[in-house]
Amino acid sequence: NAGVTQTPKFRVLKTGQSMTLLCAQDMNHEYMYWYRQDPGMGLRLIHYSVGEGTTAKGEVPDGYNVSRLKKQNFLLGLESAAPSQTSVYFCASTYYTGGTEAFFGQGTRLTVV
Amino acid sequence: GQQVMQIPQYQHVQEGEDFTTYCNSSTTLSNIQWYKQRPGGHPVFLIQLVKSGEVKKQKRLTFQFGEAKKNSSLHITATQTTDVGTYFCGYIRGSQGNLIFGKGTKLSVKP
Repeated sequence: NAGVTQTPKFRVLKTGQSMTLLCAQDMNHEYMYWYRQDPGMGLRLIHYSVGEGTTAKGEVPDGYNVSRLKKQNFLLGLESAAPSQTSVYFCASTYYTGGTEAFFGQGTRLTVV
Repeated sequence: GQQVMQIPQYQHVQEGEDFTTYCNSSTTLSNIQWYKQRPGGHPVFLIQLVKSGEVKKQKRLTFQFGEAKKNSSLHITATQTTDVGTYFCGYIRGSQGNLIFGKGTKLSVKP
């Protein structure tokens, strides 16, 4: 059972480039989340999804887009990367909200130069 | 912005000392979860509290949920070097499933 898998694990982008981070879970979870983690800022919610085909904005959505075309996958896109988006990105999933633990992926360390 | 304040932001202790981190909210929380993130790792679920005044223990860790469900604490008795990491509290905001976290408390333990 792989749990939550994020790809890639590391990436360096040039300012203005685009990329997509993939999160895949094999636990049949309904809810999926994307967070960014910066020193001293904790985990900040970017976007989340409460089911296949749905997405919603979190605390810091600007500069990011997401899609949940399949229940098991949640994609985070950066259309035009900026140095301020240098961060560690975590994906998480839960079976349903408010009642169960969230499982996190291993993280993606993104550097924008 | 975030509705929970987690204090302290950093804590340095000598091995064997106790440690406590607090999570305080301005509004009533339906539940609260605690996670631990080891250096270089990802957050891992520790526990969930849902009832007013609830207290749960896991070996040397004691978790409490306040009577008003506005605050929570995690207490570690006799810290060990394996306790090093950042401890986050998390909660569900609103009815749409936002899982929001506090900024975390980073614990370092000196052998």
